Amino acid sequence: AQTVTQSQPEMSVQEAETVTLSCTYDTSESDYYLFWYKQPPSRQMILVIRQEAYKQQNATENRFSVNFQKAAKSFSLKISDSQLGDAAMYFCARMEYGNKLVFGAGTILRVKS
Amino acid sequence: DTGVSQNPRHKITKRGQNVTFRCDPISEHNRLYWYRQTLGQGPEFLTYFQNEAQLEKSRLLSDRFSAERPKGSFSTLEIQRTEQGDSAMYLCASSLTIFGTLPSEQYFGPGTRLTVT
Repeated sequence: AQTVTQSQPEMSVQEAETVTLSCTYDTSESDYYLFWYKQPPSRQMILVIRQEAYKQQNATENRFSVNFQKAAKSFSLKISDSQLGDAAMYFCARMEYGNKLVFGAGTILRVKS
Repeated sequence: DTGVSQNPRHKITKRGQNVTFRCDPISEHNRLYWYRQTLGQGPEFLTYFQNEAQLEKSRLLSDRFSAERPKGSFSTLEIQRTEQGDSAMYLCASSLTIFGTLPSEQYFGPGTRLTVT
Protein backbone atom coordinates (compact mmCIF):
# COMPACT_ATOMS: atom_id res chain seq x y z
CA ALA A 1 0.00 0.00 0.00
CA GLN A 2 1.19 3.46 -0.78
CA THR A 3 1.60 5.27 2.50
CA VAL A 4 2.24 8.61 4.15
CA THR A 5 4.47 8.59 7.22
CA GLN A 6 4.72 11.22 9.92
CA SER A 7 7.49 10.15 12.26
CA GLN A 8 6.86 12.76 14.97
CA PRO A 9 3.81 11.91 17.09
CA GLU A 10 4.19 15.13 19.06
CA MET A 11 6.17 18.36 18.81
CA SER A 12 6.46 21.42 21.02
CA VAL A 13 7.47 24.96 20.13
CA GLN A 14 7.82 28.17 22.04
CA GLU A 15 5.56 30.99 20.94
CA ALA A 16 7.21 33.15 18.23
CA GLU A 17 9.74 30.46 17.35
CA THR A 18 9.94 28.15 14.32
CA VAL A 19 9.05 24.48 14.14
CA THR A 20 9.31 21.92 11.35
CA LEU A 21 7.00 18.92 10.99
CA SER A 22 8.25 15.98 8.94
CA CYS A 23 6.46 13.85 6.38
CA THR A 24 7.58 11.17 3.94
CA TYR A 25 5.43 9.38 1.43
CA ASP A 26 5.43 6.59 -1.05
CA THR A 27 4.18 6.83 -4.61
CA SER A 28 4.90 5.39 -8.02
CA GLU A 29 3.40 8.35 -9.82
CA SER A 30 5.41 11.22 -11.26
CA ASP A 31 2.72 13.84 -10.85
CA TYR A 32 0.72 14.17 -7.67
CA TYR A 33 -0.38 16.60 -5.01
CA LEU A 34 0.59 16.94 -1.38
CA PHE A 35 -1.18 18.74 1.43
CA TRP A 36 -0.86 19.74 5.04
CA TYR A 37 -4.11 19.89 7.01
CA LYS A 38 -4.66 21.29 10.48
CA GLN A 39 -7.21 19.81 12.89
CA PRO A 40 -7.69 21.89 16.06
CA PRO A 41 -9.18 20.12 19.07
CA SER A 42 -12.88 19.42 18.51
CA ARG A 43 -12.89 21.49 15.35
CA GLN A 44 -12.97 20.63 11.71
CA MET A 45 -9.99 20.01 9.48
CA ILE A 46 -8.75 22.92 7.38
CA LEU A 47 -6.21 23.10 4.59
CA VAL A 48 -2.93 24.78 5.52
CA ILE A 49 -0.91 24.46 2.34
CA ARG A 50 -0.68 22.42 -0.86
CA GLN A 51 2.13 21.49 -3.23
CA GLU A 52 1.97 20.26 -6.80
CA ALA A 53 4.73 17.73 -7.45
CA TYR A 54 5.54 19.13 -10.89
CA LYS A 55 6.42 22.48 -9.34
CA GLN A 56 9.98 22.76 -8.11
CA GLN A 57 9.27 25.88 -6.11
CA ASN A 58 8.26 25.25 -2.53
CA ALA A 59 4.78 26.50 -1.59
CA THR A 60 4.37 29.24 1.00
CA GLU A 61 1.30 30.64 2.74
CA ASN A 62 2.13 33.48 5.10
CA ARG A 63 3.92 31.90 8.09
CA PHE A 64 3.64 28.41 6.62
CA SER A 65 6.07 26.99 4.08
CA VAL A 66 7.09 23.57 2.86
CA ASN A 67 10.35 21.90 1.99
CA PHE A 68 9.48 19.55 -0.86
CA GLN A 69 12.20 17.08 -1.82
CA LYS A 70 10.74 15.02 -4.66
CA ALA A 71 13.61 12.57 -5.06
CA ALA A 72 13.62 11.84 -1.34
CA LYS A 73 9.79 11.80 -1.23
CA SER A 74 9.89 14.20 1.66
CA PHE A 75 7.42 17.01 2.39
CA SER A 76 8.03 18.93 5.60
CA LEU A 77 6.04 21.86 6.98
CA LYS A 78 7.75 24.85 8.55
CA ILE A 79 5.76 27.15 10.80
CA SER A 80 7.45 30.47 11.51
CA ASP A 81 6.61 32.87 14.33
CA SER A 82 4.46 30.21 16.01
CA GLN A 83 1.26 31.41 17.64
CA LEU A 84 -0.95 29.85 20.30
CA GLY A 85 -3.62 29.34 17.65
CA ASP A 86 -1.28 27.05 15.74
CA ALA A 87 -1.71 24.36 18.39
CA ALA A 88 -3.47 21.45 16.69
CA MET A 89 -3.02 18.06 15.08
CA TYR A 90 -1.31 18.40 11.71
CA PHE A 91 -1.81 15.84 8.98
CA CYS A 92 0.26 15.35 5.88
CA ALA A 93 -1.73 13.94 2.95
CA ARG A 94 -1.19 12.80 -0.61
CA MET A 95 -3.86 12.88 -3.25
CA GLU A 96 -4.59 9.75 -5.24
CA TYR A 97 -6.66 8.99 -8.30
CA GLY A 98 -10.19 10.23 -7.79
CA ASN A 99 -8.79 13.02 -5.65
CA LYS A 100 -9.16 10.97 -2.50
CA LEU A 101 -6.66 11.79 0.21
CA VAL A 102 -4.27 9.41 1.94
CA PHE A 103 -3.32 10.80 5.34
CA GLY A 104 -0.45 10.23 7.71
CA ALA A 105 -1.05 9.45 11.37
CA GLY A 106 -0.62 13.08 12.37
CA THR A 107 1.64 15.19 14.58
CA ILE A 108 0.31 16.96 17.65
CA LEU A 109 1.79 20.44 17.85
CA ARG A 110 1.87 22.15 21.24
CA VAL A 111 2.69 25.84 21.48
CA LYS A 112 4.09 27.11 24.76
CA SER A 113 3.64 30.69 25.89
CA ASP B 1 -22.75 29.42 2.52
CA THR B 2 -22.07 27.85 5.89
CA GLY B 3 -19.64 25.15 4.78
CA VAL B 4 -20.00 21.39 5.10
CA SER B 5 -22.39 20.30 7.83
CA GLN B 6 -22.87 16.89 9.39
CA ASN B 7 -25.61 15.51 11.58
CA PRO B 8 -25.70 14.27 14.20
CA ARG B 9 -22.46 15.45 15.76
CA HIS B 10 -22.48 12.60 18.25
CA LYS B 11 -24.20 9.25 18.22
CA ILE B 12 -24.15 6.58 20.89
CA THR B 13 -25.68 3.28 19.93
CA LYS B 14 -25.78 -0.29 21.13
CA ARG B 15 -24.05 -3.03 19.25
CA GLY B 16 -26.28 -4.51 16.60
CA GLN B 17 -28.30 -1.35 15.99
CA ASN B 18 -28.40 0.54 12.68
CA VAL B 19 -27.27 4.14 12.44
CA THR B 20 -27.46 6.76 9.69
CA PHE B 21 -25.39 9.90 9.32
CA ARG B 22 -26.08 12.83 7.07
CA CYS B 23 -23.70 15.18 5.28
CA ASP B 24 -24.68 18.43 3.57
CA PRO B 25 -21.87 19.61 1.30
CA ILE B 26 -21.18 23.12 0.07
CA SER B 27 -24.02 23.70 -2.35
CA GLU B 28 -22.16 23.97 -5.66
CA HIS B 29 -19.70 21.15 -4.93
CA ASN B 30 -19.99 18.13 -7.18
CA ARG B 31 -17.76 15.73 -5.25
CA LEU B 32 -18.44 14.34 -1.81
CA TYR B 33 -16.10 12.12 0.21
CA TRP B 34 -16.54 10.05 3.35
CA TYR B 35 -13.58 9.29 5.63
CA ARG B 36 -13.29 7.46 8.93
CA GLN B 37 -10.93 8.62 11.66
CA THR B 38 -10.10 6.54 14.73
CA LEU B 39 -8.53 8.04 17.82
CA GLY B 40 -4.95 9.14 17.27
CA GLN B 41 -4.96 8.28 13.58
CA GLY B 42 -5.37 10.11 10.32
CA PRO B 43 -8.61 9.87 8.36
CA GLU B 44 -9.03 6.88 6.06
CA PHE B 45 -10.94 7.06 2.80
CA LEU B 46 -14.25 5.19 2.66
CA THR B 47 -16.06 6.26 -0.51
CA TYR B 48 -16.75 9.17 -2.81
CA PHE B 49 -19.43 10.51 -5.13
CA GLN B 50 -19.33 12.55 -8.28
CA ASN B 51 -22.76 14.17 -8.23
CA GLU B 52 -25.11 11.24 -7.51
CA ALA B 53 -22.79 8.50 -8.77
CA GLN B 54 -20.74 6.54 -6.26
CA LEU B 55 -17.42 6.13 -8.06
CA GLU B 56 -15.25 4.28 -5.58
CA LYS B 57 -15.54 2.31 -2.35
CA SER B 58 -12.67 1.39 -0.09
CA ARG B 59 -12.13 -2.15 1.17
CA LEU B 60 -12.84 -0.64 4.59
CA LEU B 61 -16.46 -0.27 3.53
CA SER B 62 -17.88 -3.67 4.41
CA ASP B 63 -21.27 -4.93 3.32
CA ARG B 64 -22.75 -3.42 6.47
CA PHE B 65 -21.97 0.05 5.18
CA SER B 66 -23.96 1.82 2.51
CA ALA B 67 -23.77 5.36 1.25
CA GLU B 68 -26.07 7.32 -1.00
CA ARG B 69 -26.20 10.75 -2.52
CA PRO B 70 -29.63 11.15 -4.07
CA LYS B 71 -29.93 13.97 -6.57
CA GLY B 72 -26.28 14.83 -6.04
CA SER B 73 -26.96 16.96 -3.00
CA PHE B 74 -26.73 15.68 0.58
CA SER B 75 -25.33 12.25 1.35
CA THR B 76 -26.15 9.60 3.93
CA LEU B 77 -23.92 6.92 5.37
CA GLU B 78 -25.69 3.98 6.99
CA ILE B 79 -24.08 1.34 9.13
CA GLN B 80 -26.13 -1.78 9.76
CA ARG B 81 -25.64 -4.13 12.71
CA THR B 82 -23.04 -1.88 14.30
CA GLU B 83 -19.99 -3.41 15.97
CA GLN B 84 -17.70 -1.92 18.59
CA GLY B 85 -14.99 -1.63 15.94
CA ASP B 86 -17.19 0.86 14.09
CA SER B 87 -16.61 3.43 16.85
CA ALA B 88 -14.86 6.33 15.17
CA MET B 89 -15.27 9.84 13.83
CA TYR B 90 -16.93 9.85 10.40
CA LEU B 91 -15.85 12.81 8.32
CA CYS B 92 -17.45 14.18 5.20
CA ALA B 93 -15.69 16.45 2.72
CA SER B 94 -16.75 18.13 -0.49
CA SER B 95 -15.03 19.76 -3.42
CA LEU B 96 -15.74 21.34 -6.77
CA THR B 97 -13.78 19.28 -9.26
CA ILE B 98 -13.76 20.15 -12.93
CA PHE B 99 -12.37 17.69 -15.43
CA GLY B 100 -9.05 18.82 -16.86
CA THR B 101 -8.27 21.28 -14.11
CA LEU B 102 -6.19 21.00 -10.99
CA PRO B 103 -7.81 19.20 -8.05
CA SER B 104 -9.58 21.64 -5.81
CA GLU B 105 -9.46 21.81 -2.06
CA GLN B 106 -11.57 19.42 -0.05
CA TYR B 107 -13.60 21.17 2.62
CA PHE B 108 -14.29 19.05 5.66
CA GLY B 109 -17.28 18.94 7.92
CA PRO B 110 -17.05 18.74 11.72
CA GLY B 111 -17.64 14.99 11.71
CA THR B 112 -20.02 12.61 13.44
CA ARG B 113 -18.53 10.80 16.41
CA LEU B 114 -19.99 7.30 16.73
CA THR B 115 -19.68 5.30 19.92
CA VAL B 116 -20.88 1.71 19.86
CA THR B 117 -21.42 0.21 23.32
